[in-house]
Amino acid sequence: DAGVIQSPRHEVTEMGQEVTLRCKPISGHNSLFWYRQTMMRGLELLIYFNNNVPIDDSGMPEDRFSAKMPNASFSTLKIQPSEPRDSAVYFCASTIDSGNTIYFGEGSWLTVV
Amino acid sequence: AQSVAQPEDQVNVAEGNPLTVKCTYSVSGNPYLFWYVQYPNRGLQFLLKYITGDNLVKGSYGFEAEFNKSQTSFHLKKPSALVSDSALYFCAVRDPPGGYNKLIFGAGTRLAVHP
Repeated sequence: DAGVIQSPRHEVTEMGQEVTLRCKPISGHNSLFWYRQTMMRGLELLIYFNNNVPIDDSGMPEDRFSAKMPNASFSTLKIQPSEPRDSAVYFCASTIDSGNTIYFGEGSWLTVV
Repeated sequence: AQSVAQPEDQVNVAEGNPLTVKCTYSVSGNPYLFWYVQYPNRGLQFLLKYITGDNLVKGSYGFEAEFNKSQTSFHLKKPSALVSDSALYFCAVRDPPGGYNKLIFGAGTRLAVHP
C-alpha cells in the first residue's frame, strides 16, 4: 500500500508568495491531519478533517493559513502571504475512525526567505 | 486536556546496551498511548501503542514499552541498542481517549547510540 503522499517535498519561496502544500491520504482513511514541526514548538496540530469536513482548526496560526479537503483523496494547506516564521516541516497524516494508528507522510520542508 | 511529557531532551547509550526513553502522561480516563520514531529528514513512523490489555507492549524494530498506571508512565525500551536506532522519538496520547484520533505529542527525545 502506498503511504501518505505529500508534495512538494522541499520548497523555498520568497516572503509574500503563496505556498500550497498537497496531501494524498492512504486509500480508505477518512481522517486527515496537518501538523507543523519546528525546533521551537515541536509538533503542532494545525487542522483535523473527518469525512472531508474540518472538525478542529484551532491550531491554525492565523488567517494567512487555510486548508481544504475537496474529496477523500486530496487535501491542501495554503499559506498566503508566506512569512519567514512559517519556515517549518509540514506533515500530513491519516487514519480511519475504527483504527487507532495515525500514519504520517514524509513531510514538506518549507523555507521562506 | 490530555498531555505527555518527555523529560529528557537526549539519551546517550552505547551499542549493545539496553536503552530507555521516558514518557509520562496526564489524562482523564483511560489513556491511549503511542510511540513514534523520526529518522533524519523523514516523517514519523509508528512504533507501538497501548490501548488496553497487557501492560507490556511489543512493537517494531525490537522496541517495547511498559504501561504503568500508578506511575502514569509509558517508557520505551529495547534490550540491546543499535547505532541505527539513533533518531528522534516521540511519545503521544490520543485526545480525547475515546473520541477522534487526534494525537498530542511530547517534545521528543533524541536518542544517540554510540559504537
